[in-house]
Amino acid sequence: DIQTTQSPRSLSASVGDTVTITCRTGRGIGESFNWYQQKSGKAPKLLIYAAFRLQSGVPSRFSGSGSGTDFTLTISGLQPEDFATYYCQESYTPPWTFGQGTKVEVK
Amino acid sequence: EVHLVESGGGLVQPGGSLRLSCAASGLTLSYNNYMSWVRQAPGKGLECVSVIQTGGTTYYADSVKGRFTISRDTSNNTLYLQMNSLRVEDTAVYYCAKWSGAPGLFGSWGQGTLVTVSS
Repeated sequence: DIQTTQSPRSLSASVGDTVTITCRTGRGIGESFNWYQQKSGKAPKLLIYAAFRLQSGVPSRFSGSGSGTDFTLTISGLQPEDFATYYCQESYTPPWTFGQGTKVEVK
Repeated sequence: EVHLVESGGGLVQPGGSLRLSCAASGLTLSYNNYMSWVRQAPGKGLECVSVIQTGGTTYYADSVKGRFTISRDTSNNTLYLQMNSLRVEDTAVYYCAKWSGAPGLFGSWGQGTLVTVSS
């Protein structure tokens, strides 16, 4: 299995802030990496796929970067609807491991 | 638009069985669609427990191998997860999810169904 380590586990931010979440995988996986947003009591929603490609309908304030073992999700200009938990995920090989999650809370 | 609706969750005793269903619309299960079950224990992260590929090939996480069986009925466009020998640690919300394009890319999700294993 490919270990996927996400940080931080939680962060506090204000509307308008720029937020960065990082993930590191145990070995290189090219750009087979995705990001999801999950709001309380709801199913996850795909935001970014293949490391930096924006899923249709996702606002452009969300962006992804990285390749190999290190990946980043950036939210530029945090909006009230962005307070949620974010998960990274490798899609390189089974079991397609998810990160531990980062909860973005109101400061 | 893809729409997935899970059902079948509930309270079951350890060692018991349960069958989850996922009714799909906006897609045809038999046509180039990889479907999966992803679970989330209370307050925890996400785990893909099973996948069924277009040709019928299946995958199971080590944690459920030999106990869970994924299947689909193309006549009514429904995905199933038969869960046997349930354990307390199987307690979770179970989501049905469709892969989008690349392997392991969970593009569409249902709303989830809660399975509680407790005596």
